[in-house]
Amino acid sequence: QSVLTQPPSVSGAPGQRVTISCTGSSSNIGAGFDVHWYLQLPGTAPKLLIYGNNNRPSGVPDRFSGSKSGTSASLAITGLQAEDEADYYCQSYDSSLSGSWVFGGGTKLTVL
Amino acid sequence: QVQLVQSGAEVKKPGSSVKVSCKASGGTFSSYAISWVRQAPGQGLEWMGRIIPMFGIGNYAQKFQGRVTITADKSTSTANMELSSLRSEDTAVYYCAREIAAAGTSPNWFDPWGQGTLVTVSS
Repeated sequence: QSVLTQPPSVSGAPGQRVTISCTGSSSNIGAGFDVHWYLQLPGTAPKLLIYGNNNRPSGVPDRFSGSKSGTSASLAITGLQAEDEADYYCQSYDSSLSGSWVFGGGTKLTVL
Repeated sequence: QVQLVQSGAEVKKPGSSVKVSCKASGGTFSSYAISWVRQAPGQGLEWMGRIIPMFGIGNYAQKFQGRVTITADKSTSTANMELSSLRSEDTAVYYCAREIAAAGTSPNWFDPWGQGTLVTVSS
């Protein structure tokens, strides 16, 4: 199982808002390490979506936003569109595993 | 604009080794870290290890210690990941990714990623 916990799936209708949670512990997110988010379309490599908890790389729409509090982080997507249907992964760092980058298990977003 | 291009798919027997390469273009290869991440079929992402070509020393996830070796060739801007003693559970897509560091932000994040290399372990 993954060090960071994400819901296996979320869904929403076009135009709606959805959130994806990423829950960690005191050795990773709770220790102050930042959270980054990636989007993965079927059969393709992951692509950076959010870095440093709430920063969007150039080209990522402002419909995507991130936040972090305590031992958890969240990704919010507003104005849901069909092309948002993908797998989403959170990433941070864990100090208890001899220092290791860690990922969430991934969340499949379905646009209804 | 950094681009990472990986070597092609491999089919290996259990107990053997596989070496996957990742050639970088654009940017200054020596100065940024390259990580390797794998994804088993239908599963999530798993970090394996990293190298900073300037220093040439890899560091590895505990799970893969003793089985994985990551190297970098500065003359060809290529990072390599070799995994030994392969078993069926090692069947996965293996990705390389450049790490980006920024003051005040930790840990590094990964951007861009290579296209992935499918390694199939089967007798």
